[in-house]
Amino acid sequence: EIMLTQSPGTLSLSPGERATLSCRASQSVSSAFLAWYQLKPGQAPRLLIFGTSTRATGIPDRFTGSGSGTDFTLTISRLEPEDFAVYYCQQYGSSPLISFGPGTTVDVK
Amino acid sequence: QVQLQESGPGLVKPSETLSLTCTVSGGSISKFYWSWIRQSPGKGLEWIGYIHYTGSTDYEPSFKSRVTMSVATPWNQFSLRLSSVTAADTAVYYCARAYSNYMDVWGKGITVTVSS
Repeated sequence: EIMLTQSPGTLSLSPGERATLSCRASQSVSSAFLAWYQLKPGQAPRLLIFGTSTRATGIPDRFTGSGSGTDFTLTISRLEPEDFAVYYCQQYGSSPLISFGPGTTVDVK
Repeated sequence: QVQLQESGPGLVKPSETLSLTCTVSGGSISKFYWSWIRQSPGKGLEWIGYIHYTGSTDYEPSFKSRVTMSVATPWNQFSLRLSSVTAADTAVYYCARAYSNYMDVWGKGITVTVSS
């Protein structure tokens, strides 16, 4: 069973700063099968990145996904006020077929 | 653009069956996989399973004995049934469209509380 861990648990930053979120898998994950989501209270979760580095439709280019093997990163180059949220990584392909990391909260410093 | 809307009872009694429906608008259900995911209070996202529009399913092992998913193509809907619920099943339940390996469109979620 592949376990995903995310760090840090909480990232306290100011608008305009750079955010670097980490997702680590207990076993190698195919680059095709790593995605990132953004969750805000009361809103539908939003797909940001799939296939490790492909931005979903309408996602601004300040969001960048990278990584391979067991280590993946989501970078937000300059935080906008609407980017303060919880971010989850997700893997596909190993039992369980789909699983999520525990999330990283990006909040206002 | 495709939108998803969850519906169903917000309160279910312990030991009973939770039943939710997701209605797809702005597109056809006759493609893709259709997922259910939940978020329990204070916890992260948990994948429950998904159903292909043809009816084939894949469930997360810890739910397998209690979960049934179905699809109603003429009505552009798919459903979740979770039996023998306990307080641990209290959560926000989301439906989502899946390209098998990721979920690109989500509903806003429905809060379900298990309580007598």
